[in-house]
Amino acid sequence: DGGITQSPKYLFRKEGQNVTLSCEQNLNHDAMYWYRQDPGQGLRLIYYSQIVNDFQKGDIAEGYSVSREKKESFPLTVTSAQKNPTAFYLCASNPNRAGANVLTFGAGSRLTVL
Amino acid sequence: KNEVEQSPQNLTAQEGEFITINCSYSVGISALHWLQQHPGGGIVSLFMLSSGKKKHGRLIATINIQEKHSSLHITASHPRDSAVYICAVSHNTNAGKSTFGDGTTLTVKP
Repeated sequence: DGGITQSPKYLFRKEGQNVTLSCEQNLNHDAMYWYRQDPGQGLRLIYYSQIVNDFQKGDIAEGYSVSREKKESFPLTVTSAQKNPTAFYLCASNPNRAGANVLTFGAGSRLTVL
Repeated sequence: KNEVEQSPQNLTAQEGEFITINCSYSVGISALHWLQQHPGGGIVSLFMLSSGKKKHGRLIATINIQEKHSSLHITASHPRDSAVYICAVSHNTNAGKSTFGDGTTLTVKP
């Protein structure tokens, strides 16, 4: 079945460490996104990529980095520069073609900084 | 003011009741999405609308483009419908960008 796979589902990190969250899709979607969700708040866009080897900052990109070397993969690195990294992280994809604008989400990764 | 506003924020209903969740937006959109998030966090896309009305089982979604308003209705609600329902809009100026409402937490009691 086609879909988005995020890993790990749960992750604990010590302060000062970088961590990388994986997002893989087999939907042949052009666009991929990373969102952060905090309790009681809507999803906020961290980074997005509409094509391989290109990505754009979202609303809250500081302290995060991404890469898009393959169409299927869009890993997110939470760096030590991110002041409040404990959150739920969601990856999504979209065909990004006219008439096909359906968002598909992964199951999410919950990061806790100890 | 947020670009996407949902109401109510929280909703408690008895099993069998008809439920309405509202979403208003203030930007030009190419599509509006209704999403469902269960405890544990995974999000499922329920509907994508650009006009009119869609129905899937007991769920109905409507959109009024002129009024920039959408509603999600659940008929004959059931405890398994308990979840957070999120409205999101895809911007017509940047098809890759979506803005999300804060969500409506629905609890259906047996």
